[in-house]
Amino acid sequence: DAMVIQNPRYQVTQFGKPVTLSCSQTLNHNVMYWYQQKSSQAPKLLFHYYDKDFNNEADTPDNFQSRRPNTSFCFLDIRSPGLGDAAMYLCATRSPGQGNQPQHFGDGTRLSIL
Amino acid sequence: SQKIEQNSEALNIQEGKTATLTCNYTNYSPAYLQWYRQDPGRGPVFLLLIRENEKEKRKERLKVTFDTTLKQSLFHITASQPADSATYLCALTDSWGKLQFGAGTQVVVTP
Repeated sequence: DAMVIQNPRYQVTQFGKPVTLSCSQTLNHNVMYWYQQKSSQAPKLLFHYYDKDFNNEADTPDNFQSRRPNTSFCFLDIRSPGLGDAAMYLCATRSPGQGNQPQHFGDGTRLSIL
Repeated sequence: SQKIEQNSEALNIQEGKTATLTCNYTNYSPAYLQWYRQDPGRGPVFLLLIRENEKEKRKERLKVTFDTTLKQSLFHITASQPADSATYLCALTDSWGKLQFGAGTQVVVTP
């Protein structure tokens, strides 16, 4: 089945130690998103790609970066994680066209900071 | 600023009854409104999309209404089952497909 896969499902890192989360998709969608979701809160959009065009949300912290080397893969890099960055990170894709296409989510990576 | 409100209290409902969830928004003119289901430790799963010029949409036991004058959407689960227990998120969508989510309402269906 076509899907969005996030690895790892659980990631533990130390305060200030860089960490990379990965997302792959077999849907061949050209739009990809990264969201941060804290407990009992709404998913918050961090950035998205339209093909290789990168779009950063205005309030995304500077220590969050992203890379998309090809259509299938996307990475979220957190350069210096702080305790407040502990959260579930969700990757999603969408097919091109107007906004009437749903987003397809992976099952997320839960990041813990020691 | 844009705001999306969903009832933060869990909705406890008996199996077979209809669950009704509310999504209210302010300072936004969405082109579409979407509903997603999220199970614990999982990503959201798309359920239904309704356009700004549609009043109602149905899919199996699910029904969504959208009132752009009231700035409100209602989400109904009819003949609810324990398997319907989850958190339901509403999301406003602009014409470019960018989603802004509410925090969700947890539904608990008891046998």
